[in-house]
Amino acid sequence: AQSVTQLDSHVSVSEGTPVLLRCNYSSSYSPSLFWYVQHPNKGLQLLLKYTSAATLVKGINGFEAEFKKSETSFHLTKPSAHMSDAAEYFCVVSAGTGGKLIFGQGTELSVKP
Amino acid sequence: GAGVSQTPSNKVTEKGKYVELRCDPISGHTALYWYRQSLGQGPEFLIYFQGTGAADDSGLPNDRFFAVRPEGSVSTLKIQRTERGDSAVYLCASSLNSAARADTQYFGPGTRLTVL
Repeated sequence: AQSVTQLDSHVSVSEGTPVLLRCNYSSSYSPSLFWYVQHPNKGLQLLLKYTSAATLVKGINGFEAEFKKSETSFHLTKPSAHMSDAAEYFCVVSAGTGGKLIFGQGTELSVKP
Repeated sequence: GAGVSQTPSNKVTEKGKYVELRCDPISGHTALYWYRQSLGQGPEFLIYFQGTGAADDSGLPNDRFFAVRPEGSVSTLKIQRTERGDSAVYLCASSLNSAARADTQYFGPGTRLTVL
């Protein structure tokens, strides 16, 4: 069975400092992994996805994630946080054929001025 | 083009009542998904459609929940005899082709259901 675990429920950073949101996955086969962001009162938006083409995936708004099979991790990073990055972030794995997504519990990112 | 839309944006009902939640997917998307997001949690899968048929309804919590997509476009999620525990945000998503595991799902803004 597929699952994801987000290791931090809340992360707080200062504007201009790096962001690290941690995610570990479990999958019985080569997974498809995603990061989605949810701003307050807005819909979920795809940040990036891993589909086995390259282990370092670049997404929108300066975010990127690295797939590490040996560590079963897919951590999300950004070199410099912006106030507009404050939101809820979800690490997601695809459950197999059919595209059913399994979401982590979410990490709330706060950005201090 | 237009994204996924959901109506109503908010629905307040009384325990025991029947509700319908509507989803309009992106034009041309054959796959449609319903998820439920409880407060402080990640979304949980309910059901997905490939065309008109429900290809996987394993996430529906019980037989009070039912969904249809009669013409392969708009979908309606129906909840009978609502309970307070049904209160959540119901999300709809669509993608070009559900058979592709990595196909991007585009989410609507959700319907916030409150059962009093």
